[in-house]
Amino acid sequence: QPVLTQPPSSSASPGESARLTCTLPSDLNVGDYSIYWYQQKPGSPPRYLLYYYSDSDKGQGSGVPSRFSGSKDASANTGLLLISGLQSEDEAVYFCMIWPSDAVVFGGGTKLTVL
Amino acid sequence: EVQLLESGGGLVQPGGSLRLSCAASGFTFSSYGMSWVRQAPGKGPEWVAGIRGGGGNVYYADSVKDRFTISRDNSKNMLYLQMNSLRPEDTALYYCAKVHAEWFGKGSVFDPWGQGTLVTVSS
Repeated sequence: QPVLTQPPSSSASPGESARLTCTLPSDLNVGDYSIYWYQQKPGSPPRYLLYYYSDSDKGQGSGVPSRFSGSKDASANTGLLLISGLQSEDEAVYFCMIWPSDAVVFGGGTKLTVL
Repeated sequence: EVQLLESGGGLVQPGGSLRLSCAASGFTFSSYGMSWVRQAPGKGPEWVAGIRGGGGNVYYADSVKDRFTISRDNSKNMLYLQMNSLRPEDTALYYCAKVHAEWFGKGSVFDPWGQGTLVTVSS
């Protein structure tokens, strides 16, 4: 199973922007995959946020604010979750997910602290 | 409103069996694929199994293949996971999740998820 690498933690202040990364292994090209993002708060199940393949192929989960968006950094083989105008309620663990084959793979998650 | 309610978790010895259930409501159950996803404490989620809305096609992670069986009863709006030959590494919170389409496979989105049922495999 391929491993998606996410930094264990990140922090930012209210009103600022957060940039969370999900790095694919070198044998997978980020340009070939949709990156899916989930948010999980303590004691709750993961919540689907969005997916990003390209600027013309992306989708937002139901009720997910437009402050959440996806992107890619091809040079780093990385998927990105961008959160603008951070709010205290955005403090959570964020997981990325891809379908490299018939089996889906999740990253280990990044805990975002809103200082 | 979509609701998914899992049950059937508990403490079981290694080598034992459990059957998890997921009661679904708020949508046309047979029109959507469903999945089981588990999460060990402090870890990322791990996909376990998936099934098409019609129930004809099932899919498993390598880690559970030949030990777990996913099934559904569309007349009762129920999803099941039969777990045999359980191992300590199967210990996790097991979630059922609705998929965005009737089919299940590459590109499926898990949304929403139930609250989960805890499975602990220990002697």
